[in-house]
Amino acid sequence: AQTVTQSQPEMSVQEAETVTLSCTYDTSENNYYLFWYKQPPSRQMILVIRQEAYKQQNATENRFSVNFQKAAKSFSLKISDSQLGDTAMYFCAFISQGAQKLVFGQGTRLTINP
Amino acid sequence: KAGVTQTPRYLIKTRGQQVTLSCSPISGHRSVSWYQQTPGQGLQFLFEYFSETQRNKGNFPGRFSGRQFSNSRSEMNVSTLELGDSALYLCASSLDSPDYGYTFGSGTRLTVV
Repeated sequence: AQTVTQSQPEMSVQEAETVTLSCTYDTSENNYYLFWYKQPPSRQMILVIRQEAYKQQNATENRFSVNFQKAAKSFSLKISDSQLGDTAMYFCAFISQGAQKLVFGQGTRLTINP
Repeated sequence: KAGVTQTPRYLIKTRGQQVTLSCSPISGHRSVSWYQQTPGQGLQFLFEYFSETQRNKGNFPGRFSGRQFSNSRSEMNVSTLELGDSALYLCASSLDSPDYGYTFGSGTRLTVV
C-alpha cells in the first residue's frame, strides 16, 4: 500500500521569506502523480501544483515549485516570497496511474507572519 | 465556471440517525470521489464513482454508502450515525484522469451528538 509522510506538523516563517515543506512517499509503482494541496480556513482543498512521475523536470507554478527526487521518493514544495495568504494547511498527495484514490499525508500547518 | 458544490455546509445529527450529503461536480466531470477528514485520521478515501458506477471503495463500514446520478451529481449516505462519524466530508471531481488533479468542494461539516 502506498503511504505519504509529511514530517513537519507545523512551520512558521516571516512574510517574503522562502519556505520548503517536505514530503516523502512509499510505492512500488513506476507511474504515478504527486500533488500539493492547500487547505485554508475556508476548508476548500486547492490544488497548488502537480508532478507526473515520468517527467524529470520539476513542476513550477509562479511562486511555487517542487523538488521531485524519484529515486529518493521525495517531493518537497518550495514557496518563494511567501505571502500572508499562503497561511494554510498543506497536504502532499499521491495517486497511481489509472487509480481513483488519492493518498494524503498528514499535512503541514504553515503560518506566514507579518 | 462553477466549482464543486457541496450541500449542506453544516449538519448536526443525533446518534443513530442517518444523513445524506450532496455533491455537484464541475460541469463535464464524470468522476466524483468522497473523502472523510478528521484530526486524528487525516484524509481518508471513502469511494469513487464514474458514470453511476462505484469503481473504488475505501475501508469504511457498510453504513457508508453512495451513489451517482446520470447528471454526475453524487450523494453519500451514512446510516446509524456514531459519534466517531463527526468529520469534514469532502467531495472531489475530475475528468477521470489523475494527471489533471482533483477539484474539491468546501465540504460538509457533520457533527454527531
